[in-house]
Amino acid sequence: EIVLTQSPATLSLSPGERATLSCRASQSLSRSLTWYQQKPGQAPRLLIYDASNRAAGIPARFSGSGSGTDFTLTISSLEPEDFAVYYCQQRGNWPLLTFGGGTKVEIK
Amino acid sequence: EVQLVQSGAEVKKPGESVKISCKGSGYRFTSYWIGWVRQMPGRGLEWMGVIYPDDSETRYSPSFQGLVTISADRSISTAYLQWSSLRASDTAMYYCAKLANFGVDYWGQGTLVTVSS
Repeated sequence: EIVLTQSPATLSLSPGERATLSCRASQSLSRSLTWYQQKPGQAPRLLIYDASNRAAGIPARFSGSGSGTDFTLTISSLEPEDFAVYYCQQRGNWPLLTFGGGTKVEIK
Repeated sequence: EVQLVQSGAEVKKPGESVKISCKGSGYRFTSYWIGWVRQMPGRGLEWMGVIYPDDSETRYSPSFQGLVTISADRSISTAYLQWSSLRASDTAMYYCAKLANFGVDYWGQGTLVTVSS
């Protein structure tokens, strides 16, 4: 079973700052890594698929990179609406998915 | 427009049964896997299992095998998640999710299940 480890658990930043979130897999995923955003009281929302492809309607300040076992989600300049929890997900046992534990981006 | 509309919140006692639903629209319901995700209070996302509505093929994550039942009625574009005997630890928000080849492209709004004596 492939395990996804996200770090840090919490990231405290100010609006306008750059956020760098990490997701590490226990086995190589090639580029099959997806990112979601979840705000309090809402369902998750698709952000990035296949490591670096932004979903429809996602602002350009969100970018994904990485391959193999190490992946990064970068928010270039945090907007107030970006403070949320972010999850990575892999599909190695399709159609059974696995999520990482999440990174909370909070206002400093 | 693709939509997944889930049934309303449930409040149950331990040992009771419940069946929650997820109705898809705006796409060919039978052509895409539908999954269910658990989110316990203040916790992360857990993938429970999936169903392919065209033939009702079902797969469960090991942690949920035997604890829940996933089903679907293709005639009304609806998937279901049910428990035969609830426990307090089943208290959570449950999301249905439409799968694309990379993961989830659309989510339901969530159904809160509360189990309390």
